[in-house]
Amino acid sequence: EDKVVQSPLSLVVHEGDTVTLNCSYEVTNFRSLLWYKQEKKAPTFLFMLTSSGIEKKSGRLSSILDKKELFSILNITATQTGDSAVYLCAVDSGNNDMRFGAGTRLTVKP
Amino acid sequence: ETGVTQTPRHLVMGMTNKKSLKCEQHLGHNAMYWYKQSAKKPLELMFVYSLEERVENNSVPSRFSPECPNSSHLFLHLHTLQPEDSALYLCASSQEPHNQPQHFGDGTRLSIL
Repeated sequence: EDKVVQSPLSLVVHEGDTVTLNCSYEVTNFRSLLWYKQEKKAPTFLFMLTSSGIEKKSGRLSSILDKKELFSILNITATQTGDSAVYLCAVDSGNNDMRFGAGTRLTVKP
Repeated sequence: ETGVTQTPRHLVMGMTNKKSLKCEQHLGHNAMYWYKQSAKKPLELMFVYSLEERVENNSVPSRFSPECPNSSHLFLHLHTLQPEDSALYLCASSQEPHNQPQHFGDGTRLSIL
């Protein structure tokens, strides 16, 4: 059965820290991996990764995919309180299925 | 404002009621989705529509009935729900059904009495 596993499930850091969130997957037909940030309501799109080894960056956030080892990481540098959210990893596995992980709840303390 | 609007924001209903959730997207997308988000569980994809055609995927109980009258609107008709159906129901849309970021609405918080 297809699955997406995120770790850690929760993380508490202080402003200025750097964090790394992990997402591993097992799917029968990989198309892409996506990261979302969910604060109180709608998840918002961060990155979509389809190729191994190519880092995507947006400000203090970056992400990379390893299709051989079947995982992705999301890095956040110089964290701010506004980064507090649940970060969701999802894999588009074809067959019209989007499989989400349980999320990592990040709390950034002042 | 995400471009995807869901109504109502909150809904409380009894197990014998019939109600509908509504989703509207203003992004010109061709694919729309319903997700269920329960406490401490991953987002679960319920239904996918591409160009108003429903795609069969995960098994969803027949008490949930989707409807997509056009590419901008998506409904989820509910009847005879169970307490375990209480959850946040999220609608999303994307340009195409694959390899595309999805834009989510704020969801409808559904509580079944």
